[in-house]
Amino acid sequence: DADVTQTPRNRITKTGKRIMLECSQTKGHDRMYWYRQDPGLGLRLIYYSFDVKDINKGEISDGYSVSRQAQAKFSLSLESAIPNQTALYFCATSDLGSRAFFGQGTRLTVV
Amino acid sequence: RKEVEQDPGPFNVPEGATVAFNCTYSNSASQSFFWYRQDCRKEPKLLMSVYSSGNEDGRFTAQLNRASQYISLLIRDSKLSDSATYLCVVNKDAGGTSYGKLTFGQGTILTVHP
Repeated sequence: DADVTQTPRNRITKTGKRIMLECSQTKGHDRMYWYRQDPGLGLRLIYYSFDVKDINKGEISDGYSVSRQAQAKFSLSLESAIPNQTALYFCATSDLGSRAFFGQGTRLTVV
Repeated sequence: RKEVEQDPGPFNVPEGATVAFNCTYSNSASQSFFWYRQDCRKEPKLLMSVYSSGNEDGRFTAQLNRASQYISLLIRDSKLSDSATYLCVVNKDAGGTSYGKLTFGQGTILTVHP
């Protein structure tokens, strides 16, 4: 089983719908991240959390929200999805040496 | 200026070739440096950390030049299986903490052909 698990792996949703992407980890790391990846733009940070009570905006947080339900769980929500949020989304954790470990990604399409 | 910039690529090399990727970063307070590998439509995976003294892992050699804010990755004796996107990653210090959030370069595509 993967150490960092994302669900769903693929999702097609309609404009205006609320959607939640979930991430869970078994690595015991405090730090968790949500990134999106678009062709030609690389990985961009949406939100990050250094522990359960800590939530921080990344470089592209508008239109997104997160919840850190437990050390092992970090979910990303799109309150009202729009087509330009179509992307590949990655959850990651990092250890004290800042090495990151990624989930397998969620391919989201907003139509 | 982007925080982390990489060679745009793509690089197309024959098997057995030596290829080098470069990466520059803008924040002189950056603490940690890494190279990740990403296969098509897959998640990035850590290839190696980069240490000030330079480090080697088999056919891969990474170097860091803090004065020039420059990181490199050298791949010797390229294999077909080395074909992937290589991401330069920098841990940018955030607000005085000893660790911060990771910033990724856009990646360099490598294709190794027979």
